[in-house]
Amino acid sequence: GQSLEQPSEVTAVEGAIVQINCTYQTSGFYGLSWYQQHDGGAPTFLSYNALDGLEETGRFSSFLSRSDSYGYLLLQELQMKDSASYFCAVRDAYSNYQLIWGAGTKLIIKP
Amino acid sequence: DTAVSQTPKYLVTQMGNDKSIKCEQNLGHDTMYWYKQDSKKFLKIMFSYNNKELIINETVPNRFSPKSPDKAHLNLHINSLELGDSAVYFCASSQEWQNQETQYFGPGTRLLVL
Repeated sequence: GQSLEQPSEVTAVEGAIVQINCTYQTSGFYGLSWYQQHDGGAPTFLSYNALDGLEETGRFSSFLSRSDSYGYLLLQELQMKDSASYFCAVRDAYSNYQLIWGAGTKLIIKP
Repeated sequence: DTAVSQTPKYLVTQMGNDKSIKCEQNLGHDTMYWYKQDSKKFLKIMFSYNNKELIINETVPNRFSPKSPDKAHLNLHINSLELGDSAVYFCASSQEWQNQETQYFGPGTRLLVL
């Protein structure tokens, strides 16, 4: 079967760096996506990794290690507006390539 | 300029009623989805459509019936609403079936069944 694990909640301080981990188990891994969702809002796409390594987009970076079935989202210079839930999602070839979603990580930022 | 829009934004109704939620995307995408997000924020895929054809129909009660009149629209009709249907329903789209990693979500429809 398929499963994704990510912490339910992470707390960090404004201006700091935080890493949100995601481990997955799928039969036909294709790639790992990250989405951000503010309370009351809709999920918005952040990044996608199909190959091993680090992808950087401004203050956010996403990392993938296919051999470890593991990825993370790195947020730098945290701002209060980064308080949100972050979802990892895996494309699974054995599920007709549809996205399999993690349960989400609530990021709490303290001043 | 809204990429993916849904109506209504809020829906409060009585148990047993029938209701519809409409979704439109102006991105020219081929693939559209319906998701249900419960109070614990878990995102559950309900239906996936590609070029107006139903591709994925997850374990969803047959009280839920999607309809795609054209590639830009995917509506969701719910019969005999139950308390457990209370949730936020999101419509989303992706450019193609092969680009599911990048989905664009509508603002959501908050359904409350009393």
